Amino acid sequence: EAGVAQSPRYKIIEKRQSVAFWCNPISGHATLYWYQQILGQGPKLLIQFQNNGVVDDSQLPKDRFSAERLKGVDSTLKIQPAKLEDSAVYLCASSLRASSGNTIYFGEGSWLTVV
Amino acid sequence: LAKTTQPISMDSYEGQEVNITCSHNNIATNDYITWYQQFPSQGPRFIIQGYKTKVTNEVASLFIPADRKSSTLSLPRVSLSDTAVYYCLVGGPNSGNTPLVFGKGTRLSVIA
Repeated sequence: EAGVAQSPRYKIIEKRQSVAFWCNPISGHATLYWYQQILGQGPKLLIQFQNNGVVDDSQLPKDRFSAERLKGVDSTLKIQPAKLEDSAVYLCASSLRASSGNTIYFGEGSWLTVV
Repeated sequence: LAKTTQPISMDSYEGQEVNITCSHNNIATNDYITWYQQFPSQGPRFIIQGYKTKVTNEVASLFIPADRKSSTLSLPRVSLSDTAVYYCLVGGPNSGNTPLVFGKGTRLSVIA
């Protein structure tokens, strides 16, 4: 079974530039998550989708971050304009459903460095 | 959301059994307890999940007392490759919309 695919794997941009990350979840998984993980910390949920609808985006900095999940499958996370503190790993994850008994499967992450 | 507390770090020698305990005093009736493992440069990986008593798989065991206010991840005979960060998570209600929250995890260092 294919896992969660993410791209690009690494990205270096200057502050105030924009960047976009792409995620393809495991086939059939209705729930998709974007997490931000800063070095030395645990992953922090940015946004959660159920099919193509947003379930939770309370921790998404909406002035600069946006995410969409077209047709309930692939998703993109965009940052514009980027700040130095956005340097982190952006992890995409998916699960069959959102309930706590469901395992979340993570991709390998997209590493962002803002200089 | 049920908050979890776990040790920041632990050290162990190869071949020993490692037990990592997580406290979750305000766990809800419908919550599951899930442990994830994360190696450097990788996303977290599911290890084990349980609701009560004991769960065992090929990787680890999970012990949950009757009051479910804590849980213990047990890794038998660790090797250098078990060096990683281990996260304890307690889920939201089964109605489905409360996300799992990661804490800082426990950094396990296995020494030869």
